[in-house]
Amino acid sequence: DSGVTQTPKHLITATGQRVTLRCSPRSGDLSVYWYQQSLDQGLQFLIQYYNGEERAKGNILERFSAQQFPDLHSELNLSSLELGDSALYFCASSAGIFTDTQYFGPGTRLTVL
Amino acid sequence: GENVEQHPSTLSVQEGDSAVIKCTYSDSASNYFPWYKQELGKGPQLIIDIRSNVGEKKDQRIAVTLNKTAKHFSLHITETQPEDSAVYFCAASQRIQGAQKLVFGQGTRLTINP
Repeated sequence: DSGVTQTPKHLITATGQRVTLRCSPRSGDLSVYWYQQSLDQGLQFLIQYYNGEERAKGNILERFSAQQFPDLHSELNLSSLELGDSALYFCASSAGIFTDTQYFGPGTRLTVL
Repeated sequence: GENVEQHPSTLSVQEGDSAVIKCTYSDSASNYFPWYKQELGKGPQLIIDIRSNVGEKKDQRIAVTLNKTAKHFSLHITETQPEDSAVYFCAASQRIQGAQKLVFGQGTRLTINP
């Protein structure tokens, strides 16, 4: 158990809908990262937050957004969902901005029908 | 930006034999290289990592080697056991715009045959 928690574990929704994925980092970690894992794309970095502020962006679509709250939990919002958004979404956390070691949560499996 | 290539994509070995997975990276500024193990239905679990000022690191049956000149690093698992069966990912850490990001390889599905 990495100490990173994610909810929900599974999510099934329809095209065009909006969903919110939630992540709680390890106790004491200030950085949160979001990744998308598709069958043919491996693990793709989406976005990083540190202590409530966005720090780095990867291949995140404009339909996706994220935020980190004062209690350090983070939410990833996915809107106008398409079939191709079906994937595993992982959250990871690390102690600081430049702390390299990232610990991953168990993931949320999103299925868009 | 950084690009990480991982080989092979699948690997099957007999229980007790060794397994080696190799990765190459493109950005010479990358300085941290973790390896993750992902079992079915679970998130990636960090199993070992190495920094650019070290050439080799061992932890029981697992070892990682780094060749900075050639920009490649490898995972070695000795005396493999059935519970080693999983997908393994290498990654390279890159500092960008006041933050840090991991770039992952495509993964290696390791199967240990009893």
